[in-house]
Amino acid sequence: AQSVTQLGSHVSVSEGALVLLRCNYSSSVPPYLFWYVQYPNQGLQLLLKYTSAATLVKGINGFEAEFKKSETSFHLTKPSAHMSDAAEYFCAVSDYGGSQGNLIFGKGTKLSVKP
Amino acid sequence: GAVVSQHPSRVICKSGTSVKIECRSLDFQATTMFWYRQFPKKSLMLMATSNEGSKATYEQGVEKDKFLINHASLTLSTLTVTSAHPEDSSFYICSAATAEGGNTIYFGEGSWLTVV
Repeated sequence: AQSVTQLGSHVSVSEGALVLLRCNYSSSVPPYLFWYVQYPNQGLQLLLKYTSAATLVKGINGFEAEFKKSETSFHLTKPSAHMSDAAEYFCAVSDYGGSQGNLIFGKGTKLSVKP
Repeated sequence: GAVVSQHPSRVICKSGTSVKIECRSLDFQATTMFWYRQFPKKSLMLMATSNEGSKATYEQGVEKDKFLINHASLTLSTLTVTSAHPEDSSFYICSAATAEGGNTIYFGEGSWLTVV
């Protein structure tokens, strides 16, 4: 069975600082991994996805994530936080072999950005 | 703008009544839609997968008679919570799959259900 663990339910950074949101996965097959962002009162938006094409994946809004098989990790980073990045972030793994439909989500990490 | 719309965004209903939540794909035809539930401080949990014109496939532990899912058209899926109880209060979110662009998924805005 696949699972996702997000370390830290709440992360607070200062504006301009590095953002690092951690995600570790467990999968018996090559995983497809995703990061979603949820702004208040809005639906989930796909930030980026890993589908085995490249280990470093660049997404929207300056975010990127690196797939590290040896560490079973897919941490999300952004070099410089912006106030508008404050949101909840979800890491997810797919057990559909590529389809995003049957996603298994982590518990989410709330990112706060201080001025 | 949103390509998947959920309605209502917030609903309060009395215990014992039924409430329907709609999920519409606005710009594309969705052969498959997914319904998730998010418990407070917990992750999203897949409840069921619905395919247009056929019965929904429910995840283990989800009561199919309580959470009725209908996918009557390629742009609309509905989730009806029957005989709602306070423990059904939750955030429900749907997503819709399009075959274009490698089976891309779009999520709705979610619906907050409060049963009093």
